[in-house]
Amino acid sequence: DADVTQTPRNRITKTGKRIMLECSQTKGHDRMYWYRQDPGLGLRLIYYSFDVKDINKGEISDGYSVSRQAQAKFSLSLESAIPNQTALYFCATNSGLAGYTGELFFGEGSRLTVL
Amino acid sequence: GQQLNQSPQSMFIQEGEDVSMNCTSSSIFNTWLWYKQEPGEGPVLLIALYKAGELTSNGRLTAQFGITRKDSFLNISASIPSDVGIYFCAGQRYGNNRLAFGKGNQVVVIP
Repeated sequence: DADVTQTPRNRITKTGKRIMLECSQTKGHDRMYWYRQDPGLGLRLIYYSFDVKDINKGEISDGYSVSRQAQAKFSLSLESAIPNQTALYFCATNSGLAGYTGELFFGEGSRLTVL
Repeated sequence: GQQLNQSPQSMFIQEGEDVSMNCTSSSIFNTWLWYKQEPGEGPVLLIALYKAGELTSNGRLTAQFGITRKDSFLNISASIPSDVGIYFCAGQRYGNNRLAFGKGNQVVVIP
């Protein structure tokens, strides 16, 4: 089983609908991230959380919200989806232990299409 | 925003050839990472570099941490079809908890 699991893997929705992407991890990491990938733009950080009580905006947080329900769970919501939010979304985790180098572990991605 | 420059965006190489790619920045980084993303998958770490000048290999892959701390290089020797994918560089600056990513380099291997 994957250490970082994303659901759903694929979703097609309509403009204006609310969408939630979920992420769970079994690595025991305290830090979790949501990235968006678009062709030619690489990976852009949406939100990140360093522990259950910590939520931080990334580069492109507008139109998104997150919830850190537990150490192992971090969900991304689109309150009212729009077509330019069509993208591949990745959840990632890493450890915040002192001296840790920051290597990220990624889920398999959630492909979202907004019509 | 992103601080790392990767070029070219895509590369078409003949099977068996070597391929090199680099990643540059105007800022100093204390860690460089190279990831590979295969179709339908998330990025997976290939090589991590922690010291300026460090040269590290992983099978046919070799990466170097530039001595200026502002760049890194990845080489793939004797390419094979399964090398196809997007290669991302990532860097971490001292005191910054987040990774900066390059835009990726799409590699296509022609049999």
